[in-house]
Amino acid sequence: DAGVIQSPRHEVTEMGQEVTLRCKPISGHNSLFWYRQTMMRGLELLIYFNNNVPIDDSGMPEDRFSAKMPNASFSTLKIQPSEPRDSAVYFCASSPPGQIIAKNIQYFGAGTRLSVL
Amino acid sequence: AQKVTQAQTEISVVEKEDVTLDCVYETRDTTYYLFWYKQPPSGELVFLIRRNSFDEQNEISGRYSWNFQKSTSSFNFTITASQVVDSAVYFCALKSGVSQGNLIFGKGTKLSVKP
Repeated sequence: DAGVIQSPRHEVTEMGQEVTLRCKPISGHNSLFWYRQTMMRGLELLIYFNNNVPIDDSGMPEDRFSAKMPNASFSTLKIQPSEPRDSAVYFCASSPPGQIIAKNIQYFGAGTRLSVL
Repeated sequence: AQKVTQAQTEISVVEKEDVTLDCVYETRDTTYYLFWYKQPPSGELVFLIRRNSFDEQNEISGRYSWNFQKSTSSFNFTITASQVVDSAVYFCALKSGVSQGNLIFGKGTKLSVKP
């Protein structure tokens, strides 16, 4: 079975440009998570969806960041306008349905390395 | 507050040595779940183990073993007879309560295994 698929793997852009990161979760999974990894802050949650509905977006840094999940098999994370401090690795993860949400294992994609010049 | 602390930033060992990676967590919930993930140099995050707060039995999987001690709020990971392929960053993570969806990660421990 295919795992979580993220695209692109690498993105280099200039400050002020719009950036869109894409994620395809594992088929049958109903929760999707976006994390950001930086040297300073480590791995931190940006937003997560359950059944395509945003549940917790408290980690979204500011209005420049937005995320959507139009259907169960696709999600986007958009940064507009991008800034150099957005440079990081962005991970998407998905988890299967389960009665106890906290118990569910998250499976991660390979990440998108974003560099904003 | 919920928090995961991995005090060891970097560890370097020689192949075949045993190595233990420490993880200390904080939570006020009585139900919680602990996880370990591996991030090899290629960058992806690979799930290794999940443990719930009601199961204090140690677990062994090949050369890997995990020691969960509620009394000290620790969930340590030991690699026996380490190999070069074990070189990676290892993350301990917590989900606290039954309804928390997201993982709270420690800062990770970078393990270097030299031949």
